[in-house]
Amino acid sequence: EVQLVESGGGLVKPGGSLRLSCAASGFTFSNAWMSWVRQAPGKGLEWVGRIKSKTDGGTTDYAAPVKGRFTISRDDSKNTLYLQMNSLKTEDTAVYYCTTEGVVPAAYFDYWGQGTLVTVSS
Amino acid sequence: QSALTQPASVSGSPGQSITISCTGTSSDVGSYNLVSWYQQHPGKAPKLMIYEVSKRPSGVSNRFSGSKSGNTASLTISGLQAEDEADYYCCSYAGSSTFVFGTGTKVTVL
Repeated sequence: EVQLVESGGGLVKPGGSLRLSCAASGFTFSNAWMSWVRQAPGKGLEWVGRIKSKTDGGTTDYAAPVKGRFTISRDDSKNTLYLQMNSLKTEDTAVYYCTTEGVVPAAYFDYWGQGTLVTVSS
Repeated sequence: QSALTQPASVSGSPGQSITISCTGTSSDVGSYNLVSWYQQHPGKAPKLMIYEVSKRPSGVSNRFSGSKSGNTASLTISGLQAEDEADYYCCSYAGSSTFVFGTGTKVTVL
């Protein structure tokens, strides 16, 4: 059974940093392309960024609002995905979901974690 | 990148069919057959319902179907059931390894 468990959310001041983790199990993590998707309170879903598998280059892509501030990385030895968030703004307040992408190359998100809440406030 | 446009709400009676539209542009929905749909119940994570415009993942009811015409994709739920009451989001590949979600539609079963 595929499981994705996010952690690391919390309250942070504007301009601060936070690192989210996503522990994966039930599939071959090293082969997976992974994405982060966020949802502001009471709002819709927003794609944050993606990292490809190392065999497919391990490259990252980001949505415009987070480019230059957020960094996605992975540790395949620990089956863990990370989201390093710097220079946080109040508009980054959201539940952050870790997702797998479908059979590579895919353009859909087939498994989702339960999400972790990040609140950016002074 | 602007969010894809969905109606804020759609409602129907049990047993009826409803259709949710998802309008994008020639740079996203219109350019790729890479539209997916997600169902989200309150307080829960989204669930994949349709991918690549019209394909259903294993385990998803065949009451859910997807289509696309030009810059607009659609999700149809037939034989509406109480458990279908949820928020629904479309998503499209938007080129340059980016994705764009829709604004979301609240489905109410009357």
